[in-house]
Amino acid sequence: GDSVTQMEGPVTLSEEAFLTINCTYTATGYPSLFWYVQYPGEGLQLLLKATKADDKGSNKGFEATYRKETTSFHLEKGSVQVSDSAVYFCARHPLGGGADGLTFGKGTHLIIQP
Amino acid sequence: GAGVSQSPRYKVAKRGQDVALRCDPISGHVSLFWYQQALGQGPEFLTYFQNEAQLDKSGLPSDRFFAERPEGSVSTLKIQRTQQEDSAVYLCASSFYGDSLYEQYFGPGTRLTVT
Repeated sequence: GDSVTQMEGPVTLSEEAFLTINCTYTATGYPSLFWYVQYPGEGLQLLLKATKADDKGSNKGFEATYRKETTSFHLEKGSVQVSDSAVYFCARHPLGGGADGLTFGKGTHLIIQP
Repeated sequence: GAGVSQSPRYKVAKRGQDVALRCDPISGHVSLFWYQQALGQGPEFLTYFQNEAQLDKSGLPSDRFFAERPEGSVSTLKIQRTQQEDSAVYLCASSFYGDSLYEQYFGPGTRLTVT
C-alpha cells in the first residue's frame, strides 16, 4: 500500500545550522505531499504542502520541493532556531480522493541546542 | 469553536471496558477523520466521514472499533472490550472537504491507556 519513509531521529543540531529531513513516498496515483509539525504539548499543525510535481511549499523559513523523479519531499531550513525543536511528520494524501486519510511517516524528532 | 476539540483528553480503562471518545470538529467542516497514534509512531488512518456518511472505515483495526457522526457534526469513536494494544493517542481532524487540497485541522487528541 501507500507509504511514507522519513529519516529516523532524533536529529540534534546547533542553533543557526542548516537542516535537512529526508522524506520519500510511494508514487501510486498523484498524491499531495505535506509536512506537519508537533510542538511539545501541542497538536499536529500543517507546516507546508505541495500538490503537484516541482511545486515548492514554504512556511516559517522551511521549504520542501515535490520531486517526482526521486519520489522525495525533503524538508529544509537554512538556519534553525531553538524554537524549531519539535517532531516533524511527512505525509501524503491521494489527490482528489477524499475517502482516504493522510498516510504519515514515523516522525523525526528535531532537537536544536543553543 | 476556534478549533477541533476532543474529550476526554486522557482516559484510563481497564482491559475489557468499553470507551467512547468525542470529537467536535470546526463548524462547517464537511469532512472528519479519525487517526490512531501509537507511542513513537506517526498517526495511522482509522476512518473518514463526509457529513454523516462514513465513506471509509478500512483503517479500523477490528470490529471492536466503531465510529459514528449521526448529525454530520460531532463524532464519537467507540472501542468495545478494550485491549492493551488499544493504548494510543486518538486524533480527530476536520477539513472543509475531504479533498487533499483542503487542510486537515487536528484536535489535541485523547490519550487512552488500557491497564
